[in-house]
Amino acid sequence: EVQLLESGGGLVQPGGSLRLSCAASGFTLSNYAMSWVRQAPGKGLEWVSGFFYTPGGIHYADPVKGRFTISRDNSKNTLYLQMNTLRAEDTAVYYCAKAVVNYWYFDLWGRGTLVTVSS
Amino acid sequence: DIVVTQSPDSLAVSLGERATINCKSSQSVLYSSNNKNHLVWYQQKPGQPPKLLIYWASTRESGVPDRFSGSGSGTDFTLTISSLQAEDVAVYYCQQYYTTPYTFGQGTKLEIK
Repeated sequence: EVQLLESGGGLVQPGGSLRLSCAASGFTLSNYAMSWVRQAPGKGLEWVSGFFYTPGGIHYADPVKGRFTISRDNSKNTLYLQMNTLRAEDTAVYYCAKAVVNYWYFDLWGRGTLVTVSS
Repeated sequence: DIVVTQSPDSLAVSLGERATINCKSSQSVLYSSNNKNHLVWYQQKPGQPPKLLIYWASTRESGVPDRFSGSGSGTDFTLTISSLQAEDVAVYYCQQYYTTPYTFGQGTKLEIK
């Protein structure tokens, strides 16, 4: 079965760090562009970061630029999001999403992992 | 950044009636090289991740009921549900994938009247 499974969320203090993981099954993650999309409680969707499979194909939204890093381990078929210097406004469910070949719309989403930034 | 704005924010429609949701982008998302509109629609039910409904503004994803249709070009787009069913209660989002950052509309909450 084709699926994505996120993990690594939790409660962290402002200024802290977390690393989210997204394990892919049923397909080879490295063959697709992948993104992280977040949703604050009761709010809409916000694209966070994208990893394209060509050199230089990494993008970040302005609110997370310089604080978050997206990466991929092909041997584990897993996507990561390293989140540093976390702020209260980063509190959200973080979804991992698979893009469709060369285009940045998403045909497969994980169930999400909740990140809460609070003291 | 391309700003994507949906209207209305919420909508109540009777079962069997038509529901129409609008999406407007601050600049055209029609890509000249492929003559396609880089605009997609998702459906999100409570406690679930978004589900892809329509891409290229008007192409229905496999398995999506044909009561869902998308239209529009350039900056103005519409999602239409021709005959509302109870299972269509959800929040609907449009998203542009013309350029990074890939921005979403704020969502339209669809309910039964």
